[in-house]
Amino acid sequence: AQSVTQLDSHVSVSEGTPVLLRCNYSSSYSPSLFWYVQHPNKGLQLLLKYTSAATLVKGINGFEAEFKKSETSFHLTKPSAHMSDAAEYFCVVSDRGGSQGNLIFGKGTKLSVKP
Amino acid sequence: EAGVAQSPRYKIIEKRQSVAFWCNPISGHATLYWYQQILGQGPKLLIQFQNNGVVDDSQLPKDRFSAERLKGVDSTLKIQPAKLEDSAVYLCASSPDRGSTEAFFGQGTRLTVV
Repeated sequence: AQSVTQLDSHVSVSEGTPVLLRCNYSSSYSPSLFWYVQHPNKGLQLLLKYTSAATLVKGINGFEAEFKKSETSFHLTKPSAHMSDAAEYFCVVSDRGGSQGNLIFGKGTKLSVKP
Repeated sequence: EAGVAQSPRYKIIEKRQSVAFWCNPISGHATLYWYQQILGQGPKLLIQFQNNGVVDDSQLPKDRFSAERLKGVDSTLKIQPAKLEDSAVYLCASSPDRGSTEAFFGQGTRLTVV
């Protein structure tokens, strides 16, 4: 069975400082992993995805994530936070080796950015 | 390319009433998902279609929820009768096929049951 654990429900950073949003996963098969962002009253937008190619994945808006199989982690980072990064972030696992390929979401991490 | 379209954007109903949501996926996408997102939580899969067939409806409360995708294109999700705990955002998503690694989400329908 697949599952995702987002270790922090809320992260607060100052503008210009690094961002770290933590995610651990569990999967019976070779997983695909994603980070989605949800701004208030907006739809979910894909930030980046890992699908068994390079373990360091670069996404939009300067975000990146590193797949670490030994640690079953897929943490999201950004070197310098911007006010516009304030949103809810979801780590997602998909079971590519299984038959269904559905997406399992974590509970989300709310990122606040202080001026 | 047009995105996933959902309507209505907002709906307020009284408990025990019925409600329906509509989703039009991205053209050509075979896989369609309905998710329920309760305030403060991550989206939870309700049902997954591959073309007009159901792939996974294990978490759909079938005593009150139903969904169909008759022609393998657009889909409707119905709740009858609604309960207070059904208040949530209902998200529709589509992907090119079941093995695809990315789903595209609509903006959702915010349902409030009073």
